[in-house]
Amino acid sequence: DAKTTQPNSMESNEEEPVHLPCNHSTISGTDYIHWYRQLPSQGPEYVIHGLTSNVNNRMASLAIAEDRKSSTLILHRATLRDAAVYYCILRELIQGAQKLVFGQGTRLTINP
Amino acid sequence: DTGVSQDPRHKITKRGQNVTFRCDPISEHNRLYWYRQTLGQGPEFLTYFQNEAQLEKSRLLSDRFSAERPKGSFSTLEIQRTEQGDSAMYLCASRAAKGWLPGANVLTFGAGSRLTVL
Repeated sequence: DAKTTQPNSMESNEEEPVHLPCNHSTISGTDYIHWYRQLPSQGPEYVIHGLTSNVNNRMASLAIAEDRKSSTLILHRATLRDAAVYYCILRELIQGAQKLVFGQGTRLTINP
Repeated sequence: DTGVSQDPRHKITKRGQNVTFRCDPISEHNRLYWYRQTLGQGPEFLTYFQNEAQLEKSRLLSDRFSAERPKGSFSTLEIQRTEQGDSAMYLCASRAAKGWLPGANVLTFGAGSRLTVL
């Protein structure tokens, strides 16, 4: 499975933007970049995903480097409820399980 | 739709006992996954069902673990002769099969079943 590298932890202030980086230098042409987050005492929840182009949804934006070897999850205006572990995952577009392989993620702390 | 439901949310058992967890996926999702998560780690894949067929199992799934999805709807994960190392959060997730259905490309997780083996 392709690997991703994320910082173990990051800290930001409430109502400020947060940029969460992810390196995936071994990404293949058919790998989708997925982001999930896990709030305390809950299961992971989907945030956003993309292949080549930048993506926006109501939760966040995903900026993908031109060579696709890195990406950045952007929370435009962090709230205390955004404190969570954020996982950057590569999902292969193949038949079968298409399971997600989680790393350790980035623990995001939001200061009031 | 209430999402993916897991029961029980917490289970405390003594070493050597058997435990069973149940997962009710989103109704139109025919793909179902079990993961295990220990403290401070990301979730680890255990097994995958497409309808009632168990199509993939991780080497983490020892002989003491068995998962079923008898009618292609709910699933159970049983752990026999529990060991202290089995203490973890057991997460269930589901996904739609058809590309045009909402959630086809993403997993929806339940809140998990936390197991503590004394």
